[in-house]
Amino acid sequence: GQNIDQPTEMTATEGAIVQINCTYQTSGFNGLFWYQQHAGEAPTFLSYNVLDGLEEKGRFSSFLSRSKGYSYLLLKELQMKDSASYLCAVKDSNYQLIWGAGTKLIIKP
Amino acid sequence: GAVVSQHPSWVICKSGTSVKIECRSLDFQATTMFWYRQFPKQSLMLMATSNEGSKATYEQGVEKDKFLINHASLTLSTLTVTSAHPEDSSFYICSASPPSSENTEAFFGQGTRLTVV
Repeated sequence: GQNIDQPTEMTATEGAIVQINCTYQTSGFNGLFWYQQHAGEAPTFLSYNVLDGLEEKGRFSSFLSRSKGYSYLLLKELQMKDSASYLCAVKDSNYQLIWGAGTKLIIKP
Repeated sequence: GAVVSQHPSWVICKSGTSVKIECRSLDFQATTMFWYRQFPKQSLMLMATSNEGSKATYEQGVEKDKFLINHASLTLSTLTVTSAHPEDSSFYICSASPPSSENTEAFFGQGTRLTVV
Protein backbone atom coordinates (compact mmCIF):
# COMPACT_ATOMS: atom_id res chain seq x y z
CA GLY A 1 0.00 0.00 0.00
CA GLN A 2 0.92 3.63 -0.19
CA ASN A 3 2.01 5.36 2.96
CA ILE A 4 3.27 8.73 4.07
CA ASP A 5 4.59 9.20 7.60
CA GLN A 6 5.19 12.43 9.45
CA PRO A 7 5.21 13.26 13.15
CA THR A 8 1.82 14.05 14.64
CA GLU A 9 2.88 17.10 16.60
CA MET A 10 5.96 19.24 17.21
CA THR A 11 6.67 22.19 19.47
CA ALA A 12 9.20 24.95 18.85
CA THR A 13 10.10 28.38 20.17
CA GLU A 14 9.51 31.68 18.41
CA GLY A 15 12.64 32.73 16.53
CA ALA A 16 14.08 29.22 16.44
CA ILE A 17 14.42 26.65 13.64
CA VAL A 18 12.33 23.50 13.24
CA GLN A 19 12.61 20.56 10.84
CA ILE A 20 9.56 18.48 9.98
CA ASN A 21 10.36 15.09 8.47
CA CYS A 22 8.34 13.06 5.99
CA THR A 23 8.96 9.54 4.73
CA TYR A 24 6.98 7.95 1.95
CA GLN A 25 6.36 4.64 0.22
CA THR A 26 4.32 5.11 -2.94
CA SER A 27 3.72 3.40 -6.25
CA GLY A 28 5.83 5.68 -8.37
CA PHE A 29 6.93 9.23 -7.70
CA ASN A 30 6.09 12.43 -9.54
CA GLY A 31 6.95 15.04 -6.99
CA LEU A 32 6.61 15.83 -3.31
CA PHE A 33 4.66 18.77 -1.93
CA TRP A 34 4.49 20.60 1.35
CA TYR A 35 1.35 22.50 2.29
CA GLN A 36 0.46 24.63 5.30
CA GLN A 37 -3.02 24.33 6.76
CA HIS A 38 -4.44 26.52 9.50
CA ALA A 39 -7.33 25.07 11.48
CA GLY A 40 -10.60 25.22 9.55
CA GLU A 41 -8.95 26.47 6.39
CA ALA A 42 -7.84 24.92 3.12
CA PRO A 43 -4.18 24.01 2.58
CA THR A 44 -1.86 26.56 1.00
CA PHE A 45 1.09 25.56 -1.16
CA LEU A 46 4.58 25.91 0.30
CA SER A 47 6.98 23.92 -1.87
CA TYR A 48 7.47 21.31 -4.56
CA ASN A 49 10.44 18.96 -4.96
CA VAL A 50 10.88 16.51 -7.80
CA LEU A 51 14.69 16.26 -7.89
CA ASP A 52 17.02 15.47 -5.00
CA GLY A 53 18.32 18.39 -3.06
CA LEU A 54 17.30 21.48 -1.21
CA GLU A 55 14.80 24.10 -2.41
CA GLU A 56 14.93 27.36 -0.53
CA LYS A 57 12.14 29.90 -0.47
CA GLY A 58 12.55 32.64 2.09
CA ARG A 59 12.23 31.28 5.62
CA PHE A 60 11.10 27.91 4.35
CA SER A 61 13.28 25.23 2.73
CA SER A 62 12.38 21.74 1.56
CA PHE A 63 14.73 18.82 1.00
CA LEU A 64 14.21 15.62 -0.96
CA SER A 65 16.07 12.31 -1.18
CA ARG A 66 14.28 10.02 -3.60
CA SER A 67 16.55 7.05 -2.87
CA LYS A 68 15.64 7.24 0.81
CA GLY A 69 11.98 8.14 0.30
CA TYR A 70 12.56 11.09 2.59
CA SER A 71 11.87 14.78 2.72
CA TYR A 72 11.97 17.51 5.30
CA LEU A 73 10.57 21.00 5.63
CA LEU A 74 12.81 23.46 7.42
CA LEU A 75 11.29 26.58 8.95
CA LYS A 76 13.65 29.32 10.12
CA GLU A 77 13.07 32.39 12.30
CA LEU A 78 9.80 30.95 13.52
CA GLN A 79 6.91 33.32 14.00
CA MET A 80 3.72 32.78 15.98
CA LYS A 81 1.74 32.78 12.72
CA ASP A 82 3.65 29.66 11.67
CA SER A 83 1.55 27.68 14.14
CA ALA A 84 -0.38 25.38 11.80
CA SER A 85 -0.46 21.87 10.41
CA TYR A 86 2.08 21.01 7.73
CA LEU A 87 1.05 18.42 5.20
CA CYS A 88 3.41 16.30 3.13
CA ALA A 89 1.96 14.93 -0.10
CA VAL A 90 3.38 12.81 -2.92
CA LYS A 91 2.15 12.42 -6.49
CA ASP A 92 2.22 8.76 -7.42
CA SER A 93 2.65 7.13 -10.82
CA ASN A 94 -0.94 8.12 -11.73
CA TYR A 95 -0.27 11.75 -10.71
CA GLN A 96 -2.66 11.30 -7.82
CA LEU A 97 -1.81 13.17 -4.63
CA ILE A 98 -1.29 10.93 -1.61
CA TRP A 99 -1.50 12.93 1.61
CA GLY A 100 0.22 12.51 4.95
CA ALA A 101 -1.83 13.07 8.10
CA GLY A 102 -0.06 16.32 8.80
CA THR A 103 2.20 17.60 11.55
CA LYS A 104 0.71 20.07 13.99
CA LEU A 105 3.36 22.67 14.79
CA ILE A 106 2.96 24.61 18.02
CA ILE A 107 5.03 27.77 18.41
CA LYS A 108 5.67 29.04 21.92
CA PRO A 109 6.84 32.57 22.79
CA GLY B 1 -1.50 32.07 -8.18
CA ALA B 2 -4.68 30.62 -9.58
CA VAL B 3 -7.92 31.13 -7.65
CA VAL B 4 -10.40 28.43 -6.71
CA SER B 5 -13.56 29.57 -4.96
CA GLN B 6 -15.78 27.30 -2.91
CA HIS B 7 -19.23 28.08 -1.59
CA PRO B 8 -20.67 27.96 1.00
CA SER B 9 -17.88 28.14 3.57
CA TRP B 10 -20.10 26.54 6.17
CA VAL B 11 -23.56 25.00 6.27
CA ILE B 12 -25.79 23.42 8.89
CA CYS B 13 -28.55 21.14 7.68
CA LYS B 14 -31.09 18.74 9.09
CA SER B 15 -30.61 15.02 8.81
CA GLY B 16 -32.20 13.67 5.65
CA THR B 17 -31.85 16.83 3.60
CA SER B 18 -29.45 17.48 0.71
CA VAL B 19 -26.67 20.03 0.52
CA LYS B 20 -24.95 21.37 -2.58
CA ILE B 21 -21.38 22.68 -2.53
CA GLU B 22 -19.96 24.64 -5.45
CA CYS B 23 -16.36 24.84 -6.59
CA ARG B 24 -15.34 27.40 -9.18
CA SER B 25 -12.06 28.11 -10.92
CA LEU B 26 -12.12 31.88 -11.25
CA ASP B 27 -9.25 32.64 -13.59
CA PHE B 28 -8.60 29.42 -15.45
CA GLN B 29 -10.43 26.51 -17.02
CA ALA B 30 -10.27 23.19 -15.22
CA THR B 31 -11.15 19.99 -17.02
CA THR B 32 -10.51 18.14 -13.77
CA MET B 33 -11.38 19.06 -10.21
CA PHE B 34 -10.88 17.05 -7.06
CA TRP B 35 -13.14 16.69 -4.04
CA TYR B 36 -11.65 15.89 -0.64
CA ARG B 37 -13.07 15.25 2.80
CA GLN B 38 -11.17 15.90 6.01
CA PHE B 39 -12.25 14.75 9.45
CA PRO B 40 -10.79 16.48 12.53
CA LYS B 41 -7.09 15.82 13.04
CA GLN B 42 -6.99 13.58 9.99
CA SER B 43 -5.49 13.79 6.54
CA LEU B 44 -7.20 14.94 3.39
CA MET B 45 -9.01 12.01 1.79
CA LEU B 46 -9.76 12.08 -1.91
CA MET B 47 -13.43 11.34 -2.52
CA ALA B 48 -13.70 11.71 -6.25
CA THR B 49 -12.25 13.22 -9.39
CA SER B 50 -14.65 15.44 -11.27
CA ASN B 51 -14.27 15.42 -15.05
CA GLU B 52 -15.86 18.08 -17.23
CA GLY B 53 -18.43 16.62 -19.56
CA SER B 54 -18.19 13.07 -18.24
CA LYS B 55 -18.88 11.02 -15.15
CA ALA B 56 -16.88 11.53 -12.01
CA THR B 57 -14.43 8.91 -10.83
CA TYR B 58 -15.08 7.87 -7.25
CA GLU B 59 -12.56 6.46 -4.81
CA GLN B 60 -13.18 3.09 -3.25
CA GLY B 61 -15.67 3.26 -0.42
CA VAL B 62 -17.30 6.51 -1.56
CA GLU B 63 -20.97 6.11 -2.46
CA LYS B 64 -21.58 7.76 -5.81
CA ASP B 65 -25.34 7.85 -5.26
CA LYS B 66 -24.87 9.72 -2.01
CA PHE B 67 -22.21 12.15 -3.16
CA LEU B 68 -23.41 13.43 -6.52
CA ILE B 69 -20.84 15.28 -8.59
CA ASN B 70 -21.62 17.43 -11.60
CA HIS B 71 -18.96 19.14 -13.69
CA ALA B 72 -21.07 20.81 -16.34
CA SER B 73 -18.63 23.54 -17.33
CA LEU B 74 -14.89 24.14 -17.37
CA THR B 75 -15.13 26.44 -14.37
CA LEU B 76 -17.71 24.81 -12.12
CA SER B 77 -18.03 21.53 -10.28
CA THR B 78 -20.70 20.78 -7.69
CA LEU B 79 -20.85 18.19 -4.93
CA THR B 80 -24.28 17.34 -3.56
CA VAL B 81 -24.49 15.40 -0.34
CA THR B 82 -27.85 13.65 -0.55
CA SER B 83 -29.88 12.50 2.45
CA ALA B 84 -27.23 13.82 4.78
CA HIS B 85 -26.64 12.16 8.14
CA PRO B 86 -24.60 13.30 11.15
CA GLU B 87 -21.71 11.06 10.13
CA ASP B 88 -21.41 13.12 6.93
CA SER B 89 -20.42 16.12 9.02
CA SER B 90 -16.94 17.01 7.86
CA PHE B 91 -14.76 19.57 6.10
CA TYR B 92 -15.13 19.27 2.33
CA ILE B 93 -12.47 20.83 0.08
CA CYS B 94 -12.14 21.04 -3.68
CA SER B 95 -8.98 21.60 -5.68
CA ALA B 96 -7.98 22.24 -9.26
CA SER B 97 -4.93 23.23 -11.24
CA PRO B 98 -4.43 25.31 -14.36
CA PRO B 99 -3.08 23.24 -17.24
CA SER B 100 0.23 25.08 -16.98
CA SER B 101 0.85 23.88 -13.43
CA GLU B 102 -1.25 20.75 -13.10
CA ASN B 103 1.79 18.66 -12.25
CA THR B 104 3.36 21.05 -9.80
CA GLU B 105 0.67 22.62 -7.66
CA ALA B 106 -2.89 22.12 -6.56
CA PHE B 107 -5.02 25.15 -5.69
CA PHE B 108 -7.70 24.71 -3.08
CA GLY B 109 -11.04 26.27 -2.43
CA GLN B 110 -11.71 27.71 0.99
CA GLY B 111 -13.41 24.53 2.14
CA THR B 112 -16.95 23.90 3.36
CA ARG B 113 -17.68 22.96 6.95
CA LEU B 114 -20.79 20.75 6.87
CA THR B 115 -22.66 20.04 10.08
CA VAL B 116 -25.63 17.70 9.95
CA VAL B 117 -27.94 17.88 12.95
